[in-house]
Amino acid sequence: SQKIEQNSEALNIQEGKTATLTCNYTNYSPAYLQWYRQDPGRGPVFLLLIRENEKEKRKERLKVTFDTTLKQSLFHITASQPADSATYLCALLVYGNKLVFGAGTILRVKS
Amino acid sequence: EAGVTQFPSHSVIEKGQTVTLRCDPISGHDNLYWYRRVMGKEIKFLLHFVKESKQDESGMPNNRFLAERTGGTYSTLKVQPAELEDSGVYFCASSGKMARNEQFFGPGTRLTVL
Repeated sequence: SQKIEQNSEALNIQEGKTATLTCNYTNYSPAYLQWYRQDPGRGPVFLLLIRENEKEKRKERLKVTFDTTLKQSLFHITASQPADSATYLCALLVYGNKLVFGAGTILRVKS
Repeated sequence: EAGVTQFPSHSVIEKGQTVTLRCDPISGHDNLYWYRRVMGKEIKFLLHFVKESKQDESGMPNNRFLAERTGGTYSTLKVQPAELEDSGVYFCASSGKMARNEQFFGPGTRLTVL
């Protein structure tokens, strides 16, 4: 069956450290993988998109890797801040241009 | 530029009643999507419009759900009659001509069916 799995437990880290979130998928062949941030009571906000032929993408303190052999993406936030605390969603763009979301990982950055 | 807006933000109805949710996409966005998140589950795709045409409605749960996008601008999602399992948060998103670009999400409508 098709699955997208993200870190099931909340991730608690200290301010200034690097947060690493994992997204694994099975039985999908996505051309694109996207990461979104969601705050309570709000809709998801797009962060980064990476294509299947790209290994790594960076944007300011964010870095995403995409390994289509392992069927895995890693999402890194360097020099994390309490304002980075949120739920982070991995989403695959599949046939028909629809997004298939993982359940999300809650990140808590403590000062 | 205004983002995606949704109305109402919350709706509480009795089982068997009808509810209509509205989404106004970002101006000029041809692609409009509906998603929903039921309690404890991940966000799931419902359907995709390109302008006024339904491109993909494979995620619509059953025929109690009807989506329209008259004139290719705003969209409505009607649930009739509502059932308890329809409770959740309904998100609308839009994207530009390149459908594979980022999707901009609205704040969602929280629907509670009692």
